[in-house]
Amino acid sequence: AQKITQTQPGMFVQEKEAVTLDCTYDTSDPSYGLFWYKQPSSGEMIFLIYQGSYDQQNATEGRYSLNFQKARKSANLVISASQLGDSAMYFCAMRGLIQGAQKLVFGQGTRLTINP
Amino acid sequence: ETGVTQSPTHLIKTRGQQVTLRCSSQSGHNTVSWYQQALGQGPQFIFQYYREEENGRGNFPPRFSGLQFPNYSSELNVNALELDDSALYLCASSLVAGAGEQYFGPGTRLTVT
Repeated sequence: AQKITQTQPGMFVQEKEAVTLDCTYDTSDPSYGLFWYKQPSSGEMIFLIYQGSYDQQNATEGRYSLNFQKARKSANLVISASQLGDSAMYFCAMRGLIQGAQKLVFGQGTRLTINP
Repeated sequence: ETGVTQSPTHLIKTRGQQVTLRCSSQSGHNTVSWYQQALGQGPQFIFQYYREEENGRGNFPPRFSGLQFPNYSSELNVNALELDDSALYLCASSLVAGAGEQYFGPGTRLTVT
């Protein structure tokens, strides 16, 4: 079974600073995918970044980068130059297999607040 | 390209009633997954539909059921509503049932009183 752990319930950061959101995972599958989603108060889950287990390089998407440390089973999200609009819930997720269906297994989330 | 849409946005029901939530998948996507997100929690997988058939189910009782239509839109039905069913219900569509990335809709917030 797959499991995602996010140990930071809340983070407070000053605008323009970088922030790292922690995520550790557990799986016995040799092939897996890791995702980060942003969920503003409106509720929609917005895809941010993806890392495949066999990818040699850490994924980057604009201001978002994923610090993937396979041996430690961690997939931390780094947001550079934070903006007020980055305030939201952030979820780390892993793609898991159940009865032939690819489902996403989510962590508990981290609430990020950017202060002006 | 049209994104994933869900209706209604908000819904209030009474315990014991039945509810139907609707989802239109992103253009070209043939797979729909449903998730339940209780307040303060991460989303939990309910089930997935691929080409009009259920293609995997999470740990939810049979009173949670679904349908997928030929145009790949989908419905989530919940019978005999309980107070604990109050949650945000998210629909996600993907191009394939396997490795495809899932794109989420805005969700339906269900309150059971």
